[in-house]
Amino acid sequence: GAVVSQHPSRVICKSGTSVKIECRSLDFQATTMFWYRQFPKKSLMLMATSNEGSKATYEQGVEKDKFLINHASLTLSTLTVTSAHPEDSSFYICSAREGTSYYGYTFGSGTRLTVV
Amino acid sequence: GQNIDQPTEMTATEGAIVQINCTYQTSGFNGLFWYQQHAGEAPTFLSYNVLDGLEEKGRFSSFLSRSKGYSYLLLKELQMKDSASYLCAVSEISSGSARQLTFGSGTQLTVLP
Repeated sequence: GAVVSQHPSRVICKSGTSVKIECRSLDFQATTMFWYRQFPKKSLMLMATSNEGSKATYEQGVEKDKFLINHASLTLSTLTVTSAHPEDSSFYICSAREGTSYYGYTFGSGTRLTVV
Repeated sequence: GQNIDQPTEMTATEGAIVQINCTYQTSGFNGLFWYQQHAGEAPTFLSYNVLDGLEEKGRFSSFLSRSKGYSYLLLKELQMKDSASYLCAVSEISSGSARQLTFGSGTQLTVLP
């Protein structure tokens, strides 16, 4: 089945630095990938939709300049948290859909970001 | 927009049956998903319903009524490992193409021995 690889799984960074999270579709091409954020004991909140070769579509309330998304190829999307602050600490998860398959919403393993 | 409601917490006993309900309000309905998520891990796919009725897959079944905006996930023969958060997610068609999933708040299920 479809596999989405997300890296790193855990990262600790200092306040004010930037962190890049990668999401790769390993055995399929993903023109669209989705980035979610999840706080403890809460559900997944969609941050943005990443479109290959074009600008990402951000959800209301998500800062574009803070959460930079790049989808340069059909198998890779990256999320960069710029000038991270402790309140950015969260669990970030990407997902991708294989073609038009309704079963194709495959999730990455998630990245636990801790900003100290 | 979408409004998805499900209970925050449920508790059941090992070997029992539990039903987790989900109600939603949306336009352009394009399917309803159930995911299981253990703490600190990514969600894993459980079921998908796009037509009314019951879909059965082993110990898990999911039901959908589009006219009522209602779905449930039924877990039979509960095992301790079923303790997890269960997420209801709705896909909505927008401008002819399927959109991203919108998730409910999740139901934390605790299975007791």
